[in-house]
Amino acid sequence: GAVVSQHPSRVICKSGTSVKIECRSLDFQATTMFWYRQFPKKSLMLMATSNEGSKATYEQGVEKDKFLINHASLTLSTLTVTSAHPEDSSFYICSAPITGSGGNTIYFGEGSWLTVV
Amino acid sequence: GDSVTQMEGPVTLSEEACLTINCTYTATGYPSLFWYVQYPGEGLQLLLKATKADDKGSNKGFEATYRKETTSFHLEKGSVQVSDSAVYFCALSGRAAGNKLTFGGGTRVLVKP
Repeated sequence: GAVVSQHPSRVICKSGTSVKIECRSLDFQATTMFWYRQFPKKSLMLMATSNEGSKATYEQGVEKDKFLINHASLTLSTLTVTSAHPEDSSFYICSAPITGSGGNTIYFGEGSWLTVV
Repeated sequence: GDSVTQMEGPVTLSEEACLTINCTYTATGYPSLFWYVQYPGEGLQLLLKATKADDKGSNKGFEATYRKETTSFHLEKGSVQVSDSAVYFCALSGRAAGNKLTFGGGTRVLVKP
């Protein structure tokens, strides 16, 4: 079964509004989670690293004021797209690592389709 | 920096054919290597992984071997099914990068009955 869950799976919002996407680790704690963005038929681009209890670390070129990340607990990270515009429409997906005897395994959520109209 | 290169698709093949998707990487040290699969409209699912040289990851009939000497992690399946139609991503996680993943461009595979 799923070990990382995202919500909502699909959301449509009006231009200028904000939308929040949640990423939850199920049955394990994640001090770090990662947010990716995927354009149609393209690969995944890392946006930021979400750190529990501290500020997120953003990749170069990602607007931190536009994509607000909050890691409020060891099982929840949220991505808020503020003042959304049609060009923000994309597939957003989060991941979280689980540490095991064979090293870390990185699991992804189901992803969230954002459409800004 | 770290990078992953995988063959471009789409790859179209018939059911029961053999599938190979090439993946090579550039990284310092000894990264962990992964194959993820993305079915239409869905998120990424971990298909298999390998954490050290000569390790072989396998799952659902797919296999990939971590080749340090050729910096490769090619994905293979001996007999594909229509249900294997998806996009396959090769990825690495460098030791210094924590759990950040660097992805290849993805390879779309279409299996026809």
